[in-house]
Amino acid sequence: ETGVTQSPTHLIKTRGQQVTLRCSSQSGHNTVSWYQQALGQGPQFIFQYYREEENGRGNFPPRFSGLQFPNYSSELNVNALELDDSALYLCASSLGLAGNNEQFFGPGTRLTVL
Amino acid sequence: AQSVTQLGSHVSVSEGALVLLRCNYSSSVPPYLFWYVQYPNQGLQLLLKYTTGATLVKGINGFEAEFKKSETSFHLTKPSAHMSDAAEYFCAVSDREDSSYKLIFGSGTRLLVRP
Repeated sequence: ETGVTQSPTHLIKTRGQQVTLRCSSQSGHNTVSWYQQALGQGPQFIFQYYREEENGRGNFPPRFSGLQFPNYSSELNVNALELDDSALYLCASSLGLAGNNEQFFGPGTRLTVL
Repeated sequence: AQSVTQLGSHVSVSEGALVLLRCNYSSSVPPYLFWYVQYPNQGLQLLLKYTTGATLVKGINGFEAEFKKSETSFHLTKPSAHMSDAAEYFCAVSDREDSSYKLIFGSGTRLLVRP
């Protein structure tokens, strides 16, 4: 069973650029959630996708957007990058929408914005 | 809104000593509670979770946590620390908004294990 994978591992961008991060969910999982983890802080919920539809969003501006594909993999897109977007971006997959479901996390993509 | 507070951003123990990491939550409904561990440059791994039933929950690597509703706490313990336990630990509560369940994390506690 393949776990959650994310690409790329590291990324360096400059302010104003756009970035796309990718996530492959664990086999059979139809729900993907994205989190932003700033240095020294806990992860913060960005949004969740369930069966290709956005299913909840945290307190992030519209320049953070996403997609989920028929194979349940997912992308996180960030436009007009700002310095404060520098963080570790974590993708987590789960099966269904129950609150007691375990979310399985990928290793993350570390984004640096200069 | 639900929230999680982890007391102590850093905890240092000697190898073989008791590990106690504190977590308090606020929730208007019976909570689902989780402890995750994060090793350097890695994602989060689930240690244990509380959903319903037995309030003492056992997890991986010898960790356990007790749900105490009256104290709104979910502290993580391990009887004897090992060097390999050095990592960042996050307590989280599952928060429901419409049909979406998101995890709300505390700010984390870094565990240092001294030889």
